Amino acid sequence: EPEVTQTPSHQVTQMGQEVILRCVPISNHLYFYWYRQILGQKVEFLVSFYNNEISEKSEIFDDQFSVERPDGSNFTLKIRSTKLEDSAMYFCASKRSGLGQGTQYFGPGTRLLVL
Amino acid sequence: GDSVTQMEGPVTLSEEAFLTINCTYTATGYPSLFWYVQYPGEGLQLLLKATKADDKGSNKGFEATYRKETTSFHLEKGSVQVSDSAVYFCALSETQGGSEKLVFGKGTKLTVNP
Repeated sequence: EPEVTQTPSHQVTQMGQEVILRCVPISNHLYFYWYRQILGQKVEFLVSFYNNEISEKSEIFDDQFSVERPDGSNFTLKIRSTKLEDSAMYFCASKRSGLGQGTQYFGPGTRLLVL
Repeated sequence: GDSVTQMEGPVTLSEEAFLTINCTYTATGYPSLFWYVQYPGEGLQLLLKATKADDKGSNKGFEATYRKETTSFHLEKGSVQVSDSAVYFCALSETQGGSEKLVFGKGTKLTVNP
């Protein structure tokens, strides 16, 4: 069964460094998402992406964050200058169908720790 | 915006016990409702969903019914197994201005003891 994959599974970085989290969505899916979960808190929406552009972004998704689909298979989340509060589990998700249809399928997550 | 409130855990049960995890939501429209499960060390997996009022989602012995009048989507299972130990997330899909996102509850950790 096709699945969403994410790399790395764990990432430790120093405050102020750039990190890139990678995701490979399911191959025939068209809608892509990033969510994050700070330890002990809710899973929060960060950004949605369709047709090579951002559809919606949350207040969390400030200028330090960017997303890209560089090669038609990968979907990346870049944090330009990490802060301590960026430490969280980051989940990628993808969906085949449009609004109100289909299901978002999630990857296993990348646990990011900023020191 | 829309929100989801679910029963805080942790919940500890013995094998074959009955499980209920409460979930209520606040939404301006008519969202689809979901239960996702996260087994230890794994990602979020869809457990079941319901797309309109009075729909019942079911999977692996779990059930939840979309109750518009009480804005609830409680998860139930008649007889839990050790392998059901996981974190369970209630979620709704919020559609706004041509885009869609999931809004999650905080998650409920379930431990089932033999």
